[in-house]
Amino acid sequence: ILNVEQSPQSLHVQEGDSTNFTCSFPSSNFYALHWYRWETAKSPEALFVMTLNGDEKKKGRISATLNTKEGYSYLYIKGSQPEDSATYLCAFIDTGGFKTIFGAGTRLFVKA
Amino acid sequence: DAGVTQSPTHLIKTRGQQVTLRCSPKSGHDTVSWYQQALGQGPQFIFQYYEEEERQRGNFPDRFSGHQFPNYSSELNVNALLLGDSALYLCASSLEQNTGELFFGEGSRLTVL
Repeated sequence: ILNVEQSPQSLHVQEGDSTNFTCSFPSSNFYALHWYRWETAKSPEALFVMTLNGDEKKKGRISATLNTKEGYSYLYIKGSQPEDSATYLCAFIDTGGFKTIFGAGTRLFVKA
Repeated sequence: DAGVTQSPTHLIKTRGQQVTLRCSPKSGHDTVSWYQQALGQGPQFIFQYYEEEERQRGNFPDRFSGHQFPNYSSELNVNALLLGDSALYLCASSLEQNTGELFFGEGSRLTVL
């Protein structure tokens, strides 16, 4: 059974704080890792698709790193803003390729 | 360019009934996946359709079935509804390549009484 773990489960920060979350996944049969942002009453939207060990991706104030050998990815948000409040999901795709296994998500609350 | 659309957005059923949820993928996408998201959990993979066939299935009973039509739209059917089937059902479309990002609809919220 493939297991994807995210921590912390939830996080409360002040506007301007920088923060990071962890996604742990199986280190064998790795194919790809995705990060999604899911705002309340909307649909999840992709932030990053990562495929190579050592990948680092950045989109504005948000960045992510990938370590496939040890099975973890970090998502960083620099200078959090209230509009960053959302659930951040990571998703693992194995070499079977056809299904995406999601973690339970990290719920971020940014207070102005 | 329309994104992924799902219908209905909300519905209420009673135990033992059957339900059909519908999904239209993003324009140009040929692969549709269905997920169940229960409270406090991440989306759980139900199955994926490509070329009108079920290509992969998650750990869900046979009460959950689906279909993909020639225009790539898809249906999810759940028979003999149980209280535990109450959840948000998400449809996601993608291109056939396996590393491609998923584009999600806003979901169908099913309540089973």
